[in-house]
Amino acid sequence: DQQVKQNSPSLSVQEGRISILNCDYTNSMFDYFLWYKKYPAEGPTFLISISSIKDKNEDGRFTVFLNKSAKHLSLHIVPSQPGDSAVYFCALSTGTASKLTFGTGTRLQVTL
Amino acid sequence: DTAVSQTPKYLVTQMGNDKSIKCEQNLGHDTMYWYKQDSKKFLKIMFSYNNKELIINETVPNRFSPKSPDKAHLNLHINSLELGDSAVYFCASSRTDGYYEQYFGPGTRLTVT
Repeated sequence: DQQVKQNSPSLSVQEGRISILNCDYTNSMFDYFLWYKKYPAEGPTFLISISSIKDKNEDGRFTVFLNKSAKHLSLHIVPSQPGDSAVYFCALSTGTASKLTFGTGTRLQVTL
Repeated sequence: DTAVSQTPKYLVTQMGNDKSIKCEQNLGHDTMYWYKQDSKKFLKIMFSYNNKELIINETVPNRFSPKSPDKAHLNLHINSLELGDSAVYFCASSRTDGYYEQYFGPGTRLTVT
């Protein structure tokens, strides 16, 4: 029973264009939402997060959008750069210092 | 000045053996975690410790025993290794005062033959 799904296993985007990664969840108890980036043979690296009281958070080229009614989270990267090529995981939490429930991951490839 | 470190990075062993993976964080965090990434690339929580006390145990077989000698260290000992234990194991740490972000180590790839 996968509570958190990223329905696109892979995504290819041209350099300079926008990358949009999506994440859907089923449990309405999740109240904090994070995005992680993972390169091969490395651990996940925290990118950006948003709490359930907001619907948008922006940090440089990265913006996270939250639609609580649709139970949908998205990450926008603009402009996309070749160094953004990695696997992106959404991760959801139900409380402070609680476990993270990870999505299935989306492999982003940014082409020249 | 690595924030979360794990040793070893690679571990190849035979079925039935006992092995340990060590984790250390120098971030001053109070909570540490072990996650398992299986062959399908799913990342799942196994254990969580807060100030050396177990707070999350996600129905992991008893063959897995975490040990936290102090709040900067969380080791994972696995007894009687099975083929299905082959995976990448990640250690992570976080603060507990309202901060949700967890910081991950580089992972230990365990291969059981």
